[in-house]
Amino acid sequence: GESVGLHLPTLSVQEGDNSIINCAYSNSASDYFIWYKQESGKGPQFIIDIRSNMDKRQGQRVTVLLNKTVKHLSLQIAATQPGDSAVYFCAENIIDSNYKLTFGKGTLLTVNP
Amino acid sequence: DAGVIQSPRHEVTEMGQEVTLRCKPISGHNSLFWYRQTMMRGLELLIYFNNNVPIDDSGMPEDRFSAKMPNASFSTLKIQPSEPRDSAVYFCASSFRQGVGNTIYFGEGSWLTVV
Repeated sequence: GESVGLHLPTLSVQEGDNSIINCAYSNSASDYFIWYKQESGKGPQFIIDIRSNMDKRQGQRVTVLLNKTVKHLSLQIAATQPGDSAVYFCAENIIDSNYKLTFGKGTLLTVNP
Repeated sequence: DAGVIQSPRHEVTEMGQEVTLRCKPISGHNSLFWYRQTMMRGLELLIYFNNNVPIDDSGMPEDRFSAKMPNASFSTLKIQPSEPRDSAVYFCASSFRQGVGNTIYFGEGSWLTVV
């Protein structure tokens, strides 16, 4: 069935390094994608979004890349900090149900000092 | 700005008891969602309201679950009777629906344990 999945369930990086979290989606009809960060004991927090008419969008220390050809989404975090340690989810908005986000399983990012 | 507010933050209850979770969405938002999160199933959409009207409740597990939204600033999710398998984190979220691409903002969750 249609789904959003993550290649890597865990990622461990050194403080100061750049992090790349990947996400694959299978529904070519999706046209809106969001990255969420969830810290322990908290709700998912919006990080950045991108529409399918774009292939790159930048925020503060974060960049989302969208490759529609291979249905791949990535989140790049520059100069990763201990406070970036969390589970990161990609979410997919399916056109025929524009209210419903389908979430991936999540990737646990651990930043080592 | 106040985000989505949920209560209680934590609840431990005995099997068979009624559980009521509460949510206050972000002011001005017209869409409200209830999600459930478990390790096994991740984030699952339970029900979606638009302008206080339930639009899609296909994710509600069974008749023991019910949700209401009597006005634009309040919603409840009720489980009656509760079972141990209902133990999970329940998130309320809201957004302003304006076509494709609606950023959904989550509350901090209600952590439910049914023993």
